[in-house]
Amino acid sequence: DVKVTQSSRYLVKRTGEKVFLECVQDMDHENMFWYRQDPGLGLRLIYFSYDVKMKEKGDIPEGYSVSREKKERFSLILESASTNQTSMYLCASSLGWGGAVDTQYFGPGTRLTVL
Amino acid sequence: QKEVEQNSGPLSVPEGAIASLNCTYSDRGSQSFFWYRQYSGKSPELIMFIYSNGDKEDGRFTAQLNKASQYVSLLIRDSQPSDSATYLCAVNMEYGNKLVFGAGTILRVKS
Repeated sequence: DVKVTQSSRYLVKRTGEKVFLECVQDMDHENMFWYRQDPGLGLRLIYFSYDVKMKEKGDIPEGYSVSREKKERFSLILESASTNQTSMYLCASSLGWGGAVDTQYFGPGTRLTVL
Repeated sequence: QKEVEQNSGPLSVPEGAIASLNCTYSDRGSQSFFWYRQYSGKSPELIMFIYSNGDKEDGRFTAQLNKASQYVSLLIRDSQPSDSATYLCAVNMEYGNKLVFGAGTILRVKS
């Protein structure tokens, strides 16, 4: 079974703090993704990575950065947290065949509240 | 803007009935289509995917794809209260690995 883990289930931070969210997968997947999910807006892609040290912007990268130093680990960084970054953050990984079907598997999510 | 549209619901069905969830997508070149189930406060879990026109069955679930109409649906037979969740449609709109998600349909199965 694919296992994707995230460092925290719940996190409360103050405005202006630097926030690190970590994601680890144990299936040797090439691709990793960070989404945020807000009511009525669905899942929106923040960043993704298809290889170590590689990153690509998603649909809403502003205010975020990422790091992938090892294949199994993908970190999302909020450089200076703001209240509009309060959300559920979901990490996903996929095998990365480069073919038409590449299933993404999700971690449990981190509910971040910025006060 | 590449879009995936779902009726937000809630869709209410009685226990034992067939629940029909629908999804339309904007990009005619889309390659593959996924259905995820998400319980409240939990992360999405994959139900099934489909990439060829027609039907694909897995237990009580059937995915239907019509690329000409840019339409994909999920049928749940013999609906159970435990099927009550939000169902997310996701579409691979480019050759590669990115998915575009719909906002989800809330399903309520009444016992």
